Amino acid sequence: NAGVTQTPKFRILKIGQSMTLQCTQDMNHNYMYWYRQDPGMGLKLIYYSVGAGITDKGEVPNGYNVSRSTTEDFPLRLELAAPSQTSVYFCASSLDRAGDSPLHFGNGTRLTVT
Amino acid sequence: SQKIEQNSEALNIQEGKTATLTCNYTNYSPAYLQWYRQDPGRGPVFLLLIRENEKEKRKERLKVTFDTTLKQSLFHITASQPADSATYLCALDTPWEGTYKYIFGTGTRLKVLA
Repeated sequence: NAGVTQTPKFRILKIGQSMTLQCTQDMNHNYMYWYRQDPGMGLKLIYYSVGAGITDKGEVPNGYNVSRSTTEDFPLRLELAAPSQTSVYFCASSLDRAGDSPLHFGNGTRLTVT
Repeated sequence: SQKIEQNSEALNIQEGKTATLTCNYTNYSPAYLQWYRQDPGRGPVFLLLIRENEKEKRKERLKVTFDTTLKQSLFHITASQPADSATYLCALDTPWEGTYKYIFGTGTRLKVLA
């Protein structure tokens, strides 16, 4: 099993450009999440999904969009990149929503917006 | 709102010693508390989970304790090795907008000196 796979690993965007961060998992998990990690800050939840066709906003959703057309894939879209979106983005999945269901993370996408 | 506090200063210890990392939370005790390891440039990896009715959990050289009176979890690595050098994050589930979310501490960086 590959687990959670994210692409690309690195990306530099100019202000106002758009991009999609890809995330796929092969564990048949229903729950998927997008987090961002900034220096000195804990992981912040951007969006999450409880199953195909169902998505919801997390703590910091502004400037992002998601879709979940299949169980495996959960892409994150940045429409108009801003310097405040410079961060490391992690996708994660879990078998269940309960706190006794560990998160499985990808290795992240490091995004710089200049 | 619930907050997690981890010592942001790096912890340096000598190989073979026991490393002890602290995770404090501010409000109500969570049902579950998790510990993750994060290496530079990688996503967090799940290590251990402890439930609120458990005082202690062990896995090989790792031990986690959970004191709901002190609102604290301690994470111990016995017989530490240079390969244990990483950042360790604690996470707990918390009620949020009709559902639950995981909140993460900022992590403590551990360096084991040979």
